[in-house]
Amino acid sequence: DQQVKQNSPSLSVQEGRISILNCDYTNSMFDYFLWYKKYPAEGPTFLISISSIKDKNEDGRFTVFLNKSAKHLSLHIVPSQPGDSAVYFCAARHNFGNEKLTFGTGTRLTIIP
Amino acid sequence: DARVTQTPRHKVTEMGQEVTMRCQPILGHNTVFWYRQTMMQGLELLAYFRNRAPLDDSGMPKDRFSAEMPDATLATLKIQPSEPRDSAVYFCASGLDRGETQYFGPGTRLLVL
Repeated sequence: DQQVKQNSPSLSVQEGRISILNCDYTNSMFDYFLWYKKYPAEGPTFLISISSIKDKNEDGRFTVFLNKSAKHLSLHIVPSQPGDSAVYFCAARHNFGNEKLTFGTGTRLTIIP
Repeated sequence: DARVTQTPRHKVTEMGQEVTMRCQPILGHNTVFWYRQTMMQGLELLAYFRNRAPLDDSGMPKDRFSAEMPDATLATLKIQPSEPRDSAVYFCASGLDRGETQYFGPGTRLLVL
């Protein structure tokens, strides 16, 4: 039972354009969401997060949007750069302080120069 | 530059052999996680510890997997006996309770023949 779903295994975007990565979840008890970025042969690194009390969080070129009623979140990267090519994982957890994370299967983003 | 370290980085073994993976969490972090990455399931939580005590190991096959923290600077994950279906990348991560995120090591790539 995949509680966090990333339905697009891969995405290709032109350099300079906007990349939009999507994530859906089924467990209504999740209230904190994170995005991780992973390069080959490395561990995932934290990118950005959002609490369920917000609907948007921005950090430089990265913005995460949360739609609680739809149980959907998205990561926007603008403008996309070649160094953004990586696998992006969406993750969710129950309440702050309980760090057990449930991950999606990842989306491989390729930025085309 | 504080990092989570994992050894070995790569391991090839034959079915039935014991495999031991080691992790050194970031100094001062009191929560340690073991994840397994497969193509089909993405990142799955196997077990995690807080202050060296196991909090949740429900993701681990109990008959063959075991996880321990002999001390605050070392976490181990053992598979005995190993099976081909255990082939995956195993990640260790550490963090602080009440912390925002987890910091991942580079992973151990295991191949069981």
